[in-house]
Amino acid sequence: KQEVTQIPAALSVPEGENLVLNCSFTDSAIYNLQWFRQDPGKGLTSLLLIQSSQREQTSGRLNASLDKSSGRSTLYIAASQPGDSATYLCAVRTWHDMRFGAGTRLTVKP
Amino acid sequence: EPEVTQTPSHQVTQMGQEVILRCVPISNHLYFYWYRQILGQKVEFLVSFYNNEISEKSEIFDDQFSVERPDGSNFTLKIRSTKLEDSAMYFCASSAQGATSNEQFFGPGTRLTVL
Repeated sequence: KQEVTQIPAALSVPEGENLVLNCSFTDSAIYNLQWFRQDPGKGLTSLLLIQSSQREQTSGRLNASLDKSSGRSTLYIAASQPGDSATYLCAVRTWHDMRFGAGTRLTVKP
Repeated sequence: EPEVTQTPSHQVTQMGQEVILRCVPISNHLYFYWYRQILGQKVEFLVSFYNNEISEKSEIFDDQFSVERPDGSNFTLKIRSTKLEDSAMYFCASSAQGATSNEQFFGPGTRLTVL
């Protein structure tokens, strides 16, 4: 059974800092991995989708990498801003469903 | 920019009552999904729907749940006899193609409270 873990559970950084969020999964038989942002009481906003054949994807200040063989993905956020404060979720797509991590709650302090 | 919409934003119901949660997926998308998130817990997959039938469902999606695409735009989740443990945020999502290759876009959610 696929298990998805995100470390750390919470992270607080000063504005302008570069940071890395981690996601690990137990079964490397995945189709893709998607990173989301969730604001309190809100829905999920898709950030990046990495297919299993890809190593990384970039969008603006965000860069996500995937190492399927080791069961890891990272989300790199450059030059963080207070508006980046949210919970970041990773989700892996397997044949049967989509499994989510519990998220990393990011706070960027001005 | 096209987006997934959900109604209502908050639904309060008594235990044992039926509820229908509604979603309007992005117009040219063909695959539709329901997820739930119990307060403080992970987002959980419920069901995926394509070509007017269920393509995948999780162990959570038992006989109390059903999905329907009653017309060309709406996608609904029905819970026949709600239980206290059904209280959660329910998210609808859609993708242009299958989720094995395509990004899923989520709606803002419906908060269901069962009393």
